[in-house]
Amino acid sequence: EAQVTQNPRYLITVTGKKLTVTCSQNMNHEYMSWYRQDPGLGLRQIYYSMNVEVTDKGDVPEGYKVSRKEKRNFPLILESPSPNQTSLYFCASSPITGTAYYGYTFGSGTRLTVV
Amino acid sequence: ILNVEQSPQSLHVQEGDSTNFTCSFPSSNFYALHWYRWETAKSPEALFVMTLNGDEKKKGRISATLNTKEGYSYLYIKGSQPEDSATYLCAFRWGDKIIFGKGTRLHILP
Repeated sequence: EAQVTQNPRYLITVTGKKLTVTCSQNMNHEYMSWYRQDPGLGLRQIYYSMNVEVTDKGDVPEGYKVSRKEKRNFPLILESPSPNQTSLYFCASSPITGTAYYGYTFGSGTRLTVV
Repeated sequence: ILNVEQSPQSLHVQEGDSTNFTCSFPSSNFYALHWYRWETAKSPEALFVMTLNGDEKKKGRISATLNTKEGYSYLYIKGSQPEDSATYLCAFRWGDKIIFGKGTRLHILP
């Protein structure tokens, strides 16, 4: 089944304790991205990647890191989480053909609470 | 930061009625506009990707139109059913970024 797999689904952590949220897709998509969803603010793009070893900042990258060492994986790293990073996070991927972008396939989301 | 505006924020519609809502985006440097459907406790699912001015897309009772010159897209739902209750998101491609509006929350009343 074509899918984007995110783990974990739920995570409660303490301020300052490094964590990684994993994202993997099995559709050979070039484009992958992370979003956070906060009430009243909608989905905001954190980072995106056009392909292996190519990553760039979205609109809210502060406090996050990403890497794209393999095409299928795009982990989100919080080196020193803070309470304002408490949010619902989505990973998403899509194919790119030339200059055409197609609709995203989303992961099932990770609800992160930082206390 | 680029703004993608959706209106209304929330909408209550009687079952069987038709409805529509709007996504507004910058009309310059247009690449593509996406529509997504997001049910509670699930992940957003792609409905349409629209790239050309005047595009019309249809999927069952849901259709969308695109006007890139004036910077808006309409999503239409004909004969609303309870299963149409969801948040409808539009997303605008700005260079290599994909920027979402805040969505229109649709409630279907029995």
